Amino acid sequence: QSALTQPASVSGSPGQSITISCTGTSSDLGSYNLVSWYQQHPGKAPKLMIYEGSKRPSGVSNRFSGSKSGNTASLTISGLQAEDEADYYCCSYAGSSTWVFGGGTKLTVL
Amino acid sequence: EVQLVESGGGLVQPGRSLRLSCAASGFTFDDYAMHWVRQAPGKGLEWVSGISWKSGSIGYADSVKGRFTISRDNAKNSLYLQMNSVRAEDTALYYCAKDMDHVAGAIDHWGQGTLVTVSS
Repeated sequence: QSALTQPASVSGSPGQSITISCTGTSSDLGSYNLVSWYQQHPGKAPKLMIYEGSKRPSGVSNRFSGSKSGNTASLTISGLQAEDEADYYCCSYAGSSTWVFGGGTKLTVL
Repeated sequence: EVQLVESGGGLVQPGRSLRLSCAASGFTFDDYAMHWVRQAPGKGLEWVSGISWKSGSIGYADSVKGRFTISRDNAKNSLYLQMNSVRAEDTALYYCAKDMDHVAGAIDHWGQGTLVTVSS
């Protein structure tokens, strides 16, 4: 159960697009289409942004999109806004009723 | 409105036990899998344990396997985490979380967490 690999930080200017990658293995992310992404602001509980790789829950802006290819999933945020500044975590089912999170990525809006 | 309220956290000495509880409301509790996820101070999220809707499927992170036990009481709309032989590295904010599926989907709601501090 090794953590999924995410970049420690990414940054972008308002209006730009950024992509956060999440790399796993053929035992977790590569084997299941159960990848989710969470946004966490300081001192707050995480919020679900993407599930099953590319689906958006009701109420989540369509500026957020997800994709997956092989052992890597990606979260793209378009039209970056100041309120998007937060930590982002990916999560994948890893089989045998277990899950694994990524280490988290700090998004800075310049 | 989905509400998840954790309790039972506090200061505990290394090697001792603690039981966390989570009271759920606002949804049909016995229709969904549930999870415990923790976050050490200043660190990232770590999945700890999960249990399916009828407790038929249970999983643990390697870091807690053999020490922690997850359970649920569907009649009481409650989720539990029995923590035995706690270690300093178990110090974290423990979140109770709801899955969007019976068995395995994604976490779609989170509680506010209960803080566990392991220290002598």
